[in-house]
Amino acid sequence: AQSVTQLDSQVPVFEEAPVELRCNYSSSVSVYLFWYVQYPNQGLQLLLKYLSGSTLVKGINGFEAEFNKSQTSFHLRKPSVHISDTAEYFCAVSAYSGYSTLTFGKGTMLLVSP
Amino acid sequence: GAGVSQTPSNKVTEKGKYVELRCDPISGHTALYWYRQSLGQGPEFLIYFQGTGAADDSGLPNDRFFAVRPEGSVSTLKIQRTERGDSAVYLCASSQAGQTNNEQFFGPGTRLTVL
Repeated sequence: AQSVTQLDSQVPVFEEAPVELRCNYSSSVSVYLFWYVQYPNQGLQLLLKYLSGSTLVKGINGFEAEFNKSQTSFHLRKPSVHISDTAEYFCAVSAYSGYSTLTFGKGTMLLVSP
Repeated sequence: GAGVSQTPSNKVTEKGKYVELRCDPISGHTALYWYRQSLGQGPEFLIYFQGTGAADDSGLPNDRFFAVRPEGSVSTLKIQRTERGDSAVYLCASSQAGQTNNEQFFGPGTRLTVL
């Protein structure tokens, strides 16, 4: 079984400031890692994913994440946020084997103010 | 192309009633998933279909919940004798196949409110 912890339920930040959203996971098997974004009244949209290879993954909208196996973390970063980045961000994992059921964290609300 | 669609977008019902929630996956996607997102929580897995069959229904909370996908495309999630605790956003996702590295595409969800 897998579990995902997003320690910060809310992260307030000013426009053009950098941001990091934290994600830690626990799993007895190897996993793939994902970050999804959910804008108000919309479905989840994939930001980026780590499957294998380079531990630094670049996604859409200028976001990137780094997989750290020893710390079982997959933190999401953006060097300069915009007002339009205000949304809920979910970290998720799925096991290597079998099928791709996702296990999500509780989410982090990113609030960008001018 | 068209994404995953879900109907209705909102459903308000009374405790004890029966409801059906519909999901239209992306054309050609063989894998279909239902998740439930309660207030302040991340989505939680309910059931996974590969084609017409439910490959894993271990996330269904109890026997009041049931889902079908008779022709391997559209899926319906059915909830009997609804309870206030069933209130949540029900999300549907589809992917080309069930492999773990296949991206899941999510619909906008159905917000269910049980009064």
